[in-house]
Amino acid sequence: SQQGEEDPQALSIQEGENATMNCSYKTSINNLQWYRQNSGRGLVHLILIRSNEREKHSGRLRVTLDTSKKSSSLLITASRAADTASYFCATRLNQGAQKLVFGQGTRLTINP
Amino acid sequence: GAGVSQSPSNKVTEKGKDVELRCDPISGHTALYWYRQSLGQGLEFLIYFQGNSAPDKSGLPSDRFSAERTGGSVSTLTIQRTQQEDSAVYLCASSLGSDIYTFGSGTRLTVV
Repeated sequence: SQQGEEDPQALSIQEGENATMNCSYKTSINNLQWYRQNSGRGLVHLILIRSNEREKHSGRLRVTLDTSKKSSSLLITASRAADTASYFCATRLNQGAQKLVFGQGTRLTINP
Repeated sequence: GAGVSQSPSNKVTEKGKDVELRCDPISGHTALYWYRQSLGQGLEFLIYFQGNSAPDKSGLPSDRFSAERTGGSVSTLTIQRTQQEDSAVYLCASSLGSDIYTFGSGTRLTVV
């Protein structure tokens, strides 16, 4: 399996509900990032959490990191239709590598 | 420029033809990355340029794929003798010595 696997693959919720997506990875990391992709085009960086951080907030986004379980979660509170997108976590395979490895993504659909 | 620019945004080509995809990164960004994304899938790393260092070509799927970066700025990804399995969205990203990538909007390549 790949470094950075998101779960679930697809999530459909009602507007106003909270959405939680999870990411698992294999190797030690310096940081973990979450990106959003609308309509299968360019990705937009959302948030970066460092390995010595356990939780980070940005607006309606909350990211947690558990390095002992090699997992991270992205919570979107009070979801809106505009949050409909695919969400990817990204890490580097090892601390010497320069390229990010992206997971397969979670497809989030917010129903009005 | 203000963002990463990719051209063309869409390209339809006949099987066996060569194609060139262009990426114009953010001015001053030393690192440039190419990824490929097949329909509904995650991002597949292709190649990475960092300054004047030799590029990391470890993700190129075959010798039909090549890329260059002239003058540390614009990059061109060339696919020779295109095959139907080359159909995908080709994404370019740049960064300035950090893990945070800025992506272009991608080139959707369709080989018919």
